[in-house]
Amino acid sequence: GESVGLHLPTLSVQEGDNSIINCAYSNSASDYFIWYKQESGKGPQFIIDIRSNMDKRQGQRVTVLLNKTVKHLSLQIAATQPGDSAVYFCAENIREGYKLSFGAGTTVTVRA
Amino acid sequence: KAGVTQTPRYLIKTRGQQVTLSCSPISGHRSVSWYQQTPGQGLQFLFEYFSETQRNKGNFPGRFSGRQFSNSRSEMNVSTLELGDSALYLCASRSTGVAYNSPLHFGNGTRLTVT
Repeated sequence: GESVGLHLPTLSVQEGDNSIINCAYSNSASDYFIWYKQESGKGPQFIIDIRSNMDKRQGQRVTVLLNKTVKHLSLQIAATQPGDSAVYFCAENIREGYKLSFGAGTTVTVRA
Repeated sequence: KAGVTQTPRYLIKTRGQQVTLSCSPISGHRSVSWYQQTPGQGLQFLFEYFSETQRNKGNFPGRFSGRQFSNSRSEMNVSTLELGDSALYLCASRSTGVAYNSPLHFGNGTRLTVT
């Protein structure tokens, strides 16, 4: 599958392959992390979240991994489909804060 | 359950005017947040309301203001519009008042163009 070691603004994936989108977060006090998917003309759509007391969480075709030591978050999408083409954002919530800080986003394009 | 509803979807205003955007959260959600999205700055936090109280405010000038009503609906206002205010304004709601317990759910935004 395709993977991104560092954050890159774009990712091109072959349909059926696995995708890995990476994100570095900034604040060690962040306690909650969310991945969003945004399609053209729409608002961000919730995909999966993870709290800081966890390292891994799985959803339907998606897995989020959290490495607090290096402040790194990743989203894995299994068997990528054309409908997965979108911009993906990671977001962090700072403990006891009421706002999310968003990453720059990664545009995923699925090749048929 | 209906999602977050924002009106209007599109707005065109001229510099110096003011604008009011409206947001209806998901039924039962009491926390409402507003974000500005631009190609250059990405998603930036504006403010968050819970039970009609502003709990947090982002780094925006005082021209940006908001409020929340007793039914949890929210409005944001931008006065003396500038060209740089052109953006997608997103409203989001969450089910609890505890930030780390549940994710924000976003509406499809209001696209504001200032000419």
